[in-house]
Amino acid sequence: AQSVAQPEDQVNVAEGNPLTVKCTYSVSGNPYLFWYVQYPNRGLQFLLKYITGDNLVKGSYGFEAEFNKSQTSFHLKKPSALVSDSALYFCAVDGGGSYIPTFGRGTSLIVHP
Amino acid sequence: EAGVAQSPRYKIIEKRQSVAFWCNPISGHATLYWYQQILGQGPKLLIQFQNNGVVDDSQLPKDRFSAERLKGVDSTLKIQPAKLEDSAVYLCASSPQGLSTYEQYFGPGTRLTVT
Repeated sequence: AQSVAQPEDQVNVAEGNPLTVKCTYSVSGNPYLFWYVQYPNRGLQFLLKYITGDNLVKGSYGFEAEFNKSQTSFHLKKPSALVSDSALYFCAVDGGGSYIPTFGRGTSLIVHP
Repeated sequence: EAGVAQSPRYKIIEKRQSVAFWCNPISGHATLYWYQQILGQGPKLLIQFQNNGVVDDSQLPKDRFSAERLKGVDSTLKIQPAKLEDSAVYLCASSPQGLSTYEQYFGPGTRLTVT
C-alpha cells in the first residue's frame, strides 16, 4: 500500500522569507510525486511533479521540490514567500505509475505580511 | 482549453435522500477520477475510470454509491440513500494518458451537506 505523510498541519512564514512544506512517502516501486495547491472554495491546482530525471523539479508560481530517494521525501520549497501563496497544499504519490494517486492530509500555509 | 466542469456546486439534502453529481472532463482526457474530500482531510479516491471502464473502485461504498461514465466522456456519481457522514466536497478530476503528461486537472467540486 502506498501512503503520504505531511507532518505539519500548518506552516507560518513571513513574506519574503523562504518556505518549506514537508512531505514523505511510502511506496513499492518507483514513486511518482505531485504537489497540488487548493485556494479557498476552489478545486485543486497542479503545481509540479517528479516522474523521473533531475531530483530538483521546478513548477508553477516559483515553487520547486526536491526528490530525495534515501529519505523518501519530496519537500516543497520557495525562496521568497508571498502573501498570495497562502493556501492549502497537498502532496500526492503514485507508486509505479498506476494512475491511482494517494493524497496527504494537506498543510495550510500562512504567509504573514 | 476548458477546464473540468462539475454541477451542482452546492447541494443540501436530508439523510436517506438520493443525490447525483455530474462531471464533464477536459476533452480528450482518457482518465476520470471521483474523490471525496472531508473537511480537514486530503482527497480520497472513490473511483477511477479509464475511458468508460472502471480501473479502481476499491474505496467506493458500493451499497450506497454508484458511478458511471457515459461513452467515455461525462460521468455521474450517485448516492442513495445519503448518510450524515457523506457530507463532504466531491471532486472530479481528469488526466491525459502517458507518464510525461501525467497530472490531474480538478473541477471546482460539489459541496454536499446532509442534514
